[in-house]
This record gives sequence, structure tokens and C-alpha cells, in this order.
Amino acid sequence: GNSVTQMEGPVTLSEEAFLTINCTYTATGYPSLFWYVQYPGEGLQLLLKATKADDKGSNKGFEATYRKETTSFHLEKGSVQVSDSAVYFCALYRGGSNYKLTFGKGTLLTVNP
Amino acid sequence: NAGVTQTPKFRVLKTGQSMTLLCAQDMNHEYMYWYRQDPGMGLRLIHYSVGEGTTAKGEVPDGYNVSRLKKQNFLLGLESAAPSQTSVYFCASAYRVPSYEQYFGPGTRLTVT
Repeated sequence: GNSVTQMEGPVTLSEEAFLTINCTYTATGYPSLFWYVQYPGEGLQLLLKATKADDKGSNKGFEATYRKETTSFHLEKGSVQVSDSAVYFCALYRGGSNYKLTFGKGTLLTVNP
Repeated sequence: NAGVTQTPKFRVLKTGQSMTLLCAQDMNHEYMYWYRQDPGMGLRLIHYSVGEGTTAKGEVPDGYNVSRLKKQNFLLGLESAAPSQTSVYFCASAYRVPSYEQYFGPGTRLTVT
């Protein structure tokens, strides 16, 4: 079946540090890939997505590239801010999976001033 | 647009009591979902609906029932609450496949004592 594996957290960084959160997936064919972000006390919201191999999703300074050869979709940001502190979820959608997203377990990021 | 709203925001139940969580969306989305979020478990799908009058089981449906009598509403029921159902519950909706983004509500924090 489909699955998503994210790096274990929590991740703690200083402001302006470089961020990488690893995400790898298992799925047949060509799934669509997503990063969702959950700020404290809120629901999840879509951060970025990529729907085919070699696509790069980007938003708010975050980027992730869909790598079919390594089945990965790592999240990166060049300079994090305190306001980026949140839980980040990697997810995939594979057609024929009854319209369901498969989520990773989430990675807590804390950015200190 | 209010997006996805959930009622109530917080609730405390005693074991054996029943309750209904209400999810409403004003985006005319076809697909709606109920998830639970537990520490270290990520999001797990309870039930989902691909249209008015239809429902289907997700990963963890036991102990829950759902109904989608109107397109904009998706109700989650607990007939006899158990402490294992202490969790944060999120509702989500989506327009269609394959441009697949789920919109999440703010969550309901349920405690069963």
C-alpha cells in the first residue's frame, strides 16, 4: 500500500538557519505529493505541492522537488523565521486510492530567535 | 467564505456518553473527511464521503458513525464514547480529483474520562 515516511522530530533551529525535512514515499505509479503545515492550535493548510516527477513546489520561501528516482520530496527553506514554528506533514495522493491522502506522522519544527 | 468550520471546539465526555461533531463547508466541495490526530500517530482517516448521501470507512472507523445528508455538512457521531477516543478531530473537504487539495477545519479537542 501507499506510505509516507518523514524524518523524526522535533527539529530545533535558530532564526535564519537552513531547514531540511526529509520525506520519502512508497506508492505505485506517479502519486501527487504535498506538504501541509499546522500552526499551533490550528488545522492543517496546504504549503506546497507537486503533481509529477521533477516538479518543484514552492511557497513562502519553502521548496520541495519531486524526485521519482529516490522517491523523495524533501522540504527546504534557506532562512527560517520564528513564525515558521509548526508541525509539517508530508502527504501523497495516488489515483485509485478512494480519494484519500496518505500522511506522514509529522515533524515538529521550533525556531528560536 | 468561512471555509471549513467545526462545532464544538472543545468537549469533555464521560465514558458511555454520546455526541455528534458537526463539520460544515461553504465551498461546494464534493469530498469530505474526518480524521483524528494523536501524538506520534499523525492523522488517521476515520470516515469519508465522496458526495451527498454517501459515506465510506477509512482506516479507523470502529466506534464512529457518519452521515452526509446535505452536501455542505458532514457529521461524526460517537454512540458510546471510550477513553481511547480522546483525540483532536479534524474535518476536511476537497473539490475534486486530481487537483487534490484538502481544506481543513480548526479541529475539535475531545476528552473522554
